[in-house]
Order: sequence, then structure tokens, then C-alpha cells
Amino acid sequence: IAGITQAPTSQILAAGRRMTLRCTQDMRHNAMYWYRQDLGLGLRLIHYSNTAGTTGKGEVPDGYSVSRANTDDFPLTLASAVPSQTSVYFCASSVSGGAEAFFGQGTRLTVV
Amino acid sequence: AQTVTQSQPEMSVQEAETVTLSCTYDTSESDYYLFWYKQPPSRQMILVIRQEAYKQQNATENRFSVNFQKAAKSFSLKISDSQLGDAAMYFCAYRSPYRYGNKLVFGAGTILRVKS
Repeated sequence: IAGITQAPTSQILAAGRRMTLRCTQDMRHNAMYWYRQDLGLGLRLIHYSNTAGTTGKGEVPDGYSVSRANTDDFPLTLASAVPSQTSVYFCASSVSGGAEAFFGQGTRLTVV
Repeated sequence: AQTVTQSQPEMSVQEAETVTLSCTYDTSESDYYLFWYKQPPSRQMILVIRQEAYKQQNATENRFSVNFQKAAKSFSLKISDSQLGDAAMYFCAYRSPYRYGNKLVFGAGTILRVKS
């Protein structure tokens, strides 16, 4: 079934640890995004990529990094996790040019 | 930078009645896209309706319709004949054209409760 897959679905992580959230899509979409969702703040863009090989910073990029080696994969890395990074993380993808974005099921990350 | 504002943190509606969720946005761009997404307790993000800014006609999808006021930068969602399954968090979102980064910006969300 075509779609976008995130892994893991949930994770408890010790502060200071490194963590990579995985995101894979099989729709051949050019654009991919990482958001974090926090109550009262909605979804805020962390990083995005309009095409393989390019990435850009969103609204809240500090403490996060991404790479886009190919069209399908867009991993998000927390180099040294802090409690303020406790959130639900969504990966999304879309065709470039304005079509709606398709979302993964989200990763609930708790940093303790 | 574009911003999206949803001024209603929570709304309630009686089953079978109509409810309107508000959304305003700020942009200097002339062409863009607007969306309403629904997030039920399952956490899945579901597209409800989409509007292209160049279209004057308001989008409609079954019981869901929008009131798009471009000059006022307003994009409200009307849900008619509300059903229990409509209970969810609703997000308004703005999408800039590709030449401006193609980013998707969300509002803070409105929790909709449906009473039986």
C-alpha cells in the first residue's frame, strides 16, 4: 500500500542520547517535511526538503538535523536529546507545487 | 513569514447541527493554497478540504465547506449535519507556492467536540 511510514511509533529516550527518526515514502514525492506537534502550538516545521539532495530549515530547526540522500527517505536526527524535544513528530510528503501533504502516523518521543 | 491563526482553541456542537471553525492567515503572496486537516484521536492527519487562492468559488466536500475571503485573509470551515465521528482536532494550513519555498504552515488547531 502506497504511503508514508515512520519508525518508531513511540520511544522513550534518555537525555543526551542520539536518536534518528526514520521516514520513508513510496509515492515518489519530491517534497518532504518534518513537523513537531505540541499542544496549543499546532504543527511546527522543523526541516524540509523540496527535492533529493537539498534541505532547508523550518521554524524550529535547533537541535535537529536532516538529510535527503534519495527521494524516498528523510531521516530526522536529534544529536543530543533534551526534555524540550518531547513531542509528537510527523513526517509528511507531497508533490512539489502546492498539492496537499500526506502524513505518516507520527512518532511519540519522550525525552527523560 | 506566513502565519496562520486559529482563534478558537475549543468548540462544541450538537449532533446534526452546524458549526463553523475560524482561520485567518497573513501573507504577502498572491497565489497559495489553503487546507483544513482533521486529526482524530488516532493521531492520523486527514485532509478535509483544499482551496486554491486563485479560485473565487468556495470549495465543498460533502458536509464540509469553506468560506474563503481572500481580501480579509480568512478561511473558515463549516461542518453541516455534525456527526459524532467529526469530533477531532482541526488544523488550518497555508501552503506557499514552490518559488517561495513551498512550505506548509499550520495553525494551533481547534478541538471540536460533538455532543449526542
